[in-house]
Amino acid sequence: NAGVTQTPKFQVLKTGQSMTLQCAQDMNHEYMSWYRQDPGMGLRLIHYSVGAGITDQGEVPNGYNVSRSTTEDFPLRLLSAAPSQTSVYFCASSYRFYNEQFFGPGTRLTVL
Amino acid sequence: ELKVEQNPLFLSMQEGKNYTIYCNYSTTSDRLYWYRQDPGKSLESLFVLLSNGAVKQEGRLMASLDTKARLSTLHITAAVHDLSATYFCAVVDSGNTPLVFGKGTRLSVIA
Repeated sequence: NAGVTQTPKFQVLKTGQSMTLQCAQDMNHEYMSWYRQDPGMGLRLIHYSVGAGITDQGEVPNGYNVSRSTTEDFPLRLLSAAPSQTSVYFCASSYRFYNEQFFGPGTRLTVL
Repeated sequence: ELKVEQNPLFLSMQEGKNYTIYCNYSTTSDRLYWYRQDPGKSLESLFVLLSNGAVKQEGRLMASLDTKARLSTLHITAAVHDLSATYFCAVVDSGNTPLVFGKGTRLSVIA
């Protein structure tokens, strides 16, 4: 099993550009989530999904969109990148929302 | 709203010493997780605590859960440099909501 994979590992964007961060898991987990990690802020939940076709907002959803068309994939879209979105983004998955979460390797995003 | 507080947020300890990291949470829960994060890396699961009184140990780390006090502790015994990392606790709310993470404790073990 590859576990949770994320691409790209690093990305630099200019303000106003859009992009999609990819996340995939091969563990047949129902629950998937996106976090951002900023110094001194811990992990903040952006969006999550309890199953294919179902998504919901977390603590900091503004500026991000998600969709979950398959169990395996949970892409995160930045609609119009802003410098405030410079961060490290982690995708995680678990069998159910209350189970142990497994994290991907992260994407380091810089917005200039 | 579930709030999770860890303390201390920063901890510098000498090799060979013992110390405890605390994780307090604000609402009823009987599931708590501890994660480790090395600099520049992702989060790795350390312990899963699923009931009141649960105790898990691996090597020099021992975690416990007291659901009545809404408190979990991560005890470090005879610290070694390899334990230097950031440690997060995460709590499941009793409702249908995702894990809430503490801000993390950055541990530095010095000779």
